[in-house]
Amino acid sequence: GENVEQHPSTLSVQEGDSAVIKCTYSDSASNYFPWYKQELGKGPQLIIDIRSNVGEKKDQRIAVTLNKTAKHFSLHITETQPEDSAVYFCAASIRQAGTALIFGKGTTLSVSS
Amino acid sequence: NAGVTQTPKFRILKIGQSMTLQCTQDMNHNYMYWYRQDPGMGLKLIYYSVGAGITDKGEVPNGYNVSRSTTEDFPLRLELAAPSQTSVYFCASSYSDRGPEQYFGPGTRLTVT
Repeated sequence: GENVEQHPSTLSVQEGDSAVIKCTYSDSASNYFPWYKQELGKGPQLIIDIRSNVGEKKDQRIAVTLNKTAKHFSLHITETQPEDSAVYFCAASIRQAGTALIFGKGTTLSVSS
Repeated sequence: NAGVTQTPKFRILKIGQSMTLQCTQDMNHNYMYWYRQDPGMGLKLIYYSVGAGITDKGEVPNGYNVSRSTTEDFPLRLELAAPSQTSVYFCASSYSDRGPEQYFGPGTRLTVT
């Protein structure tokens, strides 16, 4: 079945450094790739997304890149801050379930000051 | 707008008991979803609905039932609760015609003992 692999599972950086999280997906029909941030005890919050007709998208310190040929996409956070510390999930759309999503297992990002 | 609301926040069930997790959204979204999140894992789709009166199974539907009698509400029913259903449950919604972005509720933490 469809699958999304996410790496690394944990990531520790110093404040001001960049952080990169990578995901690969299996379903070539997936066309929507969101990234969610989840803080402790809360629901996932959409932070950025990209569609299959776009290679890169930026929003201030956050960017996402997509390589459809290789079926992988990445989240880039620049100038990290302690408040960026959270669990980040990538996801890919399931072709036969409306806009339902398959999620990666998550990356715990820790930013130390 | 309150967005997506879920009740209860926490619940402890005994094996074999039943309960309904409530989910309501006030954004007039036509798509709604139920996910479960186990420790250290991503979210897995249980059921989804593309509109009132229409529901379909996701990745892990066994042991659950849903109904969608109105656009706003999408309750999840657990019959004969089992320890394997101990998890955090998230409801989400999206308005596909305007974009696939999913918005999540705060979650219900369920323990079955």
